[in-house]
Amino acid sequence: KNEVEQSPQNLTAQEGEFITINCSYSVGISALHWLQQHPGGGIVSLFMLSSGKKKHGRLIATINIQEKHSSLHITASHPRDSAVYICAVASNYQLIWGAGTKLIIKP
Amino acid sequence: NAGVTQTPKFRVLKTGQSMTLLCAQDMNHEYMYWYRQDPGMGLRLIHYSVGEGTTAKGEVPDGYNVSRLKKQNFLLGLESAAPSQTSVYFCASSTGLAEGSDTQYFGPGTRLTVL
Repeated sequence: KNEVEQSPQNLTAQEGEFITINCSYSVGISALHWLQQHPGGGIVSLFMLSSGKKKHGRLIATINIQEKHSSLHITASHPRDSAVYICAVASNYQLIWGAGTKLIIKP
Repeated sequence: NAGVTQTPKFRVLKTGQSMTLLCAQDMNHEYMYWYRQDPGMGLRLIHYSVGEGTTAKGEVPDGYNVSRLKKQNFLLGLESAAPSQTSVYFCASSTGLAEGSDTQYFGPGTRLTVL
């Protein structure tokens, strides 16, 4: 069993929909990262959080340390949000990576 | 600032050939990393460096060597390429201040095909 599991693997939605991507992990962590990988391949860090909630524009990330679960939400989704969203957890000075969630937003 | 750059962007090798991928960063970061990304799998750490002159093995180091002679550069070498090394390779860097908890900045990737 992978130490970091993301769901769903693939998600297709219509423009304007509220999007939720989930990340569950099974190890103790010092922080959790959410990253975005564009269709062109570039990877950009979105959030790093160790508790609570962070918001940046239309993106919101939450984490529940007790339940070992994090969610990434996108409000008012737009086709330009189409990308692979990757969760990674920092554990024992290493990053453990999820396999990513491929999101497609249709106009 | 250019951030993290990688050369080349694309490369096709024949089995048994060698090559070196170059990663450069201009953010004065201590930590640098080499990952490979394969379809359906998460990023896997090949080697990493916590400072100039130091390197360490990651999750999948076999078949690769690295060097960090200068703080800003991290080289990944394939001595005898194999088809299993066909992948997209990403370099990243971070300050290293929070050891795993700090933000990593990624290069654009190198798409390598080994025939």
